[in-house]
Amino acid sequence: DAGVTQTPRHEVAEKGQTIILKCEPVSGHNDLFWYRQTKIQGLELLSYFRSKSLMEDGGAFKDRFKAEMLNSSFSTLKIQPTEPKDSAVYLCASSLGLLGGRRAETLYFGSGTRLTVL
Amino acid sequence: GEQVEQLPSSLIVQEGASVLINCSYTDSASVYFPWYKQEPGKRLQFIIDIRSNMERKQNQRLTLLFDKKTKHLSLHITATQPGDSAIYFCSATNMGYKLTFGTGTSLLVDP
Repeated sequence: DAGVTQTPRHEVAEKGQTIILKCEPVSGHNDLFWYRQTKIQGLELLSYFRSKSLMEDGGAFKDRFKAEMLNSSFSTLKIQPTEPKDSAVYLCASSLGLLGGRRAETLYFGSGTRLTVL
Repeated sequence: GEQVEQLPSSLIVQEGASVLINCSYTDSASVYFPWYKQEPGKRLQFIIDIRSNMERKQNQRLTLLFDKKTKHLSLHITATQPGDSAIYFCSATNMGYKLTFGTGTSLLVDP
């Protein structure tokens, strides 16, 4: 499967711990997104990278959430320190981005990491 | 910022019925509206989109209608099948990178 790969699928953390979620985008995609999904808030954008450059750092999520993209095929999302309210599904998505001057918008999502903070 | 609302939040239909999912947005600068579907236990996937210079788009059993004046979209699914059971998300963007998603409509199709 050449889709977006996220690991781990499930993560359980104690309050105050540091956790790192991983994402491998679709090969050749230039844009990478991290979203948080909860039943109440729905899908919230955490971070956005364009060609490995951080374009959106999550606003309200800035203080404890840090996304990095060290190369075009791997990204991490660090949450430090974790709090129970961080319990959610964290989704990574990628897209082609600008293609021949036209933005290709379709997002390809990973299966997500379900985080539970006790 | 943009806000996207979907109604209903959930619905249950018998197989073969048609369904209508409504979506409204607030930002008149939004010009592109993709829809995504999330089947139980599966990843979100793109199903259909429409741009603001169009009024209607069809893809097999899916028809997407767009009204720029009222800032309203509706997704019509005909001849529903159990495999259509999923959460459907409307989204909107002004062609920047940021998609604003609705909170989703959970559809259950009873066989």
